[in-house]
Amino acid sequence: EIVMTQSPATLSVSPGERATLSCRASQSVSSNLAWYQQKPGQAPRLLIYGASTRATGIPARFSGSGSGTEFTLTISSLQSEDFAVYYCQQYNNWPWDTFGQGTKLEIK
Amino acid sequence: EVQLVESGGGLVQPGGSLRLSCAASGFTVSSNYMSWVRQAPGKGLEWVSVIYSGGSTYYADSVKGRFTISRHNSKNTLYLQMNSLRAEDTAVYYCARVNSSSWVNDYWGQGTLVTVSS
Repeated sequence: EIVMTQSPATLSVSPGERATLSCRASQSVSSNLAWYQQKPGQAPRLLIYGASTRATGIPARFSGSGSGTEFTLTISSLQSEDFAVYYCQQYNNWPWDTFGQGTKLEIK
Repeated sequence: EVQLVESGGGLVQPGGSLRLSCAASGFTVSSNYMSWVRQAPGKGLEWVSVIYSGGSTYYADSVKGRFTISRHNSKNTLYLQMNSLRAEDTAVYYCARVNSSSWVNDYWGQGTLVTVSS
C-alpha cells in the first residue's frame, strides 16, 4: 500500500497570506496525485488532479506542483472560504487509491 | 447538472447488514466508473470499492468478502451491500463518480452515516 503523509497537520495562516501544504508518498506515484478540500459537514471537493491541473471552476489562487513522491498545494491569497481540511490522494496504484490524513487550514 | 444522493444509512448492530443506495442524475451510472469512499468520525478518507463501467469490481482489503458494490442500470443507482458489519465500519459513506479522463472522483454525494453499535 502506498502511504500518503501530509504536513503539517494544522496550518494557521492569516487571510490574504499564502498557504503551502505538503504531501509525501511512500513510493513514486508519478503525477497521479489529486487534492481535495473538505468543509465541515460537506463532501470533499476536487481541487487539483494530475498534480497540477485545476478542476473545473477552481479559482486560480489554487495551484499544485510536484511529481514522484513530493507534492505541494499552494493557495496564493487566502480567502475566508478557503479555511477547511485538505486531503491529497494518490491514484497511481489504481483502483487502490490512498489518501493522506489531511491538513487543517485554520485562521490565524 | 450532476447530482449524487446517498441513502440507507443508520444504526445497525455488530454482525448486521445494511444496503446503501446512491441515486444519480445528470449522467449515466453504467457508463462510468463509480466509487464508494468512507470517512470515520473525525478521521480521514478511505477508499472502499469501485465498479467499472464494464462491471468489474474491486474492494479494499478491510471490506473484501463482506461488502458488495453493484448498480441498477434502469434506476441509474449505485449500491453498497454491507454484511457482517463491525464497529470499525462506522463512518460517513460517500459515493463518487470517477472521471474517465482524469481518473479522480470529480463528483461526490453528500454522504450517509452508518453507525455500527450495540
